[in-house]
Amino acid sequence: GQQLNQSPQSMFIQEGEDVSMNCTSSSIFNTWLWYKQDPGEGPVLLIALYKAGELTSNGRLTAQFGITRKDSFLNISASIPSDVGIYFCAGGDSGAGSYQLTFGKGTKLSVIP
Amino acid sequence: DGGITQSPKYLFRKEGQNVTLSCEQNLNHDAMYWYRQDPGQGLRLIYYSQIVNDFQKGDIAEGYSVSREKKESFPLTVTSAQKNPTAFYLCASSIWTGVEYEQYFGPGTRLTVT
Repeated sequence: GQQLNQSPQSMFIQEGEDVSMNCTSSSIFNTWLWYKQDPGEGPVLLIALYKAGELTSNGRLTAQFGITRKDSFLNISASIPSDVGIYFCAGGDSGAGSYQLTFGKGTKLSVIP
Repeated sequence: DGGITQSPKYLFRKEGQNVTLSCEQNLNHDAMYWYRQDPGQGLRLIYYSQIVNDFQKGDIAEGYSVSREKKESFPLTVTSAQKNPTAFYLCASSIWTGVEYEQYFGPGTRLTVT
């Protein structure tokens, strides 16, 4: 199956710094979702985007749905130690008759206190 | 308290044995999914079900089987035919928001086969 290109694969940042990660695809999606996974737990939905160009915030998190519908980015401002984890992007296209999501391989975030 | 439950959290089996992983949701979601997660591999879809008594193979269905007899339950059986069964297994369900589908995940089951 197809996978999204998510970058960077991993990043180490100082507490208080801002973080940016992105996802790109060769296919168009109608939905972009961003999840966070803590070690040994299931992913938790952070932000859902439904319209090209849409910019949505959830606390210190901001995500955008690319205008071409082939990409999305997630920004975290003023990082804190509990931001540590793996962040996954996912693209969805239920208009194609499928209930499936296509996932990126994740960005592993480490925050240095 | 609504959500998705997976049990057990950790499961150990001997090679050659079939094992069934439980997934229950009380969110009244129509669709349910099983994913496998290996380090550095992201999430790979095993099976999904859009309605009761119907399910479709995902990208890596070989060696696995599922059933969907009730809306709230979607158990996954890892058979002895699965060559590399040790992994973290995640169940998910999805709801129609009126615009698109959002998937929600359970806490996962870590299966170790020796």
